[in-house]
Amino acid sequence: GENVEQHPSTLSVQEGDSAVIKCTYSDSASNYFPWYKQELGKRPQLIIDIRSNVGEKKDQRIAVTLNKTAKHFSLHITETQPEDSAVYFCAAAAPPDYGGSQGNLIFGKGTKLSVKP
Amino acid sequence: DGGITQSPKYLFRKEGQNVTLSCEQNLNHDAMYWYRQDPGQGLRLIYYSQIVNDFQKGDIAEGYSVSREKKESFPLTVTSAQKNPTAFYLCASSSTGTGTDTQYFGPGTRLTVL
Repeated sequence: GENVEQHPSTLSVQEGDSAVIKCTYSDSASNYFPWYKQELGKRPQLIIDIRSNVGEKKDQRIAVTLNKTAKHFSLHITETQPEDSAVYFCAAAAPPDYGGSQGNLIFGKGTKLSVKP
Repeated sequence: DGGITQSPKYLFRKEGQNVTLSCEQNLNHDAMYWYRQDPGQGLRLIYYSQIVNDFQKGDIAEGYSVSREKKESFPLTVTSAQKNPTAFYLCASSSTGTGTDTQYFGPGTRLTVL
């Protein structure tokens, strides 16, 4: 089954700097890669996602890149702000009928991002 | 994600008790999910349902049970067989159960065993 590794587990940056979080996945059939942001005590919220037919996607200060050959994808946050401080989770999913996968999201263990003013 | 509600927000359970966590959605989504979140861990799938009257075990189903009698409701029961139930429980829903639709999360229930 799918396994998702996420690094680093904690990341501290100065306001205005960039932050990069990386994830690797094991199932080559995976074709959907969302990123969630979770503030303390709150629900995870989708911030960006990418599908395997594209290599990069941007939304203002946030971008995600996907390398299908190497089976890794990354979240890039530019011009970080204190309100970006949160735990970020990556996830991967494969279609339900492909290679026995159940078609469910498998999550990384999260990265706690701290942006210092 | 405002269309998914969970109750209660906090729940305290004595050892040996069964408790039921509520999850309701008004998004007309076919699929619903229950996840457990522990500190320093990702979200782990307990049970999921792709359609009414059908549900499947996730990675950590032991000690939990669910039902899906209505499209909008997917309650989770934490039984006394779950030895370490203290955790943050998150319900989610998606339009379909293909795994590649966006999942929207409820606000969560924090369960503490006394």
